Amino acid sequence: GQSLEQPSEVTAVEGAIVQINCTYQTSGFYGLSWYQQHDGGAPTFLSYNALDGLEETGRFSSFLSRSDSYGYLLLQELQMKDSASYFCAVRVFLSSGSARQLTFGSGTQLTVLP
Amino acid sequence: NAGVTQTPKFQVLKTGQSMTLQCAQDMNHNSMYWYRQDPGMGLRLIYYSASEGTTDKGEVPNGYNVSRLNKREFSLRLESAAPSQTSVYFCASSVTGGSTVEKLFFGSGTQLSVL
Repeated sequence: GQSLEQPSEVTAVEGAIVQINCTYQTSGFYGLSWYQQHDGGAPTFLSYNALDGLEETGRFSSFLSRSDSYGYLLLQELQMKDSASYFCAVRVFLSSGSARQLTFGSGTQLTVLP
Repeated sequence: NAGVTQTPKFQVLKTGQSMTLQCAQDMNHNSMYWYRQDPGMGLRLIYYSASEGTTDKGEVPNGYNVSRLNKREFSLRLESAAPSQTSVYFCASSVTGGSTVEKLFFGSGTQLSVL
């Protein structure tokens, strides 16, 4: 089958570094995406890794290891505004459709403490 | 810069009532999606439309219908609402093809309660 696993909650203090892991099982793989969602808000795209390695965008970085079916989102210099849910997502074939569609993990609630 | 616009933002229905959620995007995207989000379950795909004139079932299509009215608009209809359809509904859009297909743009969501 296909699945995405990520921790349900992570807590860190302001200024710290936090890593949110995601492991996946899919039949075929096209890349790992990360989305951020604040309470009551819409998900917003953060990053996408199609190849192994680290992608950096400001304070956020995303890593992928296709051989390990594993990726992570790294948040540096944490700020209070980073408190949000973070979702990893992969593109999978659905039994009902003909094209791969984006499937999301259950999300990791990040709480940043002062 | 409207992006993806959803209406309404909130809706309360009684069991058996019908309603249509509206979604429009102004980014000239080919693909549009409807997701639902329940606590602790992430986002689950209901229906999607890869291009104008086509629609396909997603992971949880039962109890829903969709219409891709034109390139901009993609509506979701609940014919006979059930309490199990209480959820937050998100419309999204994306370009099609290449790595940019992974970047979905989401609307602000519709909080639907079915009593």
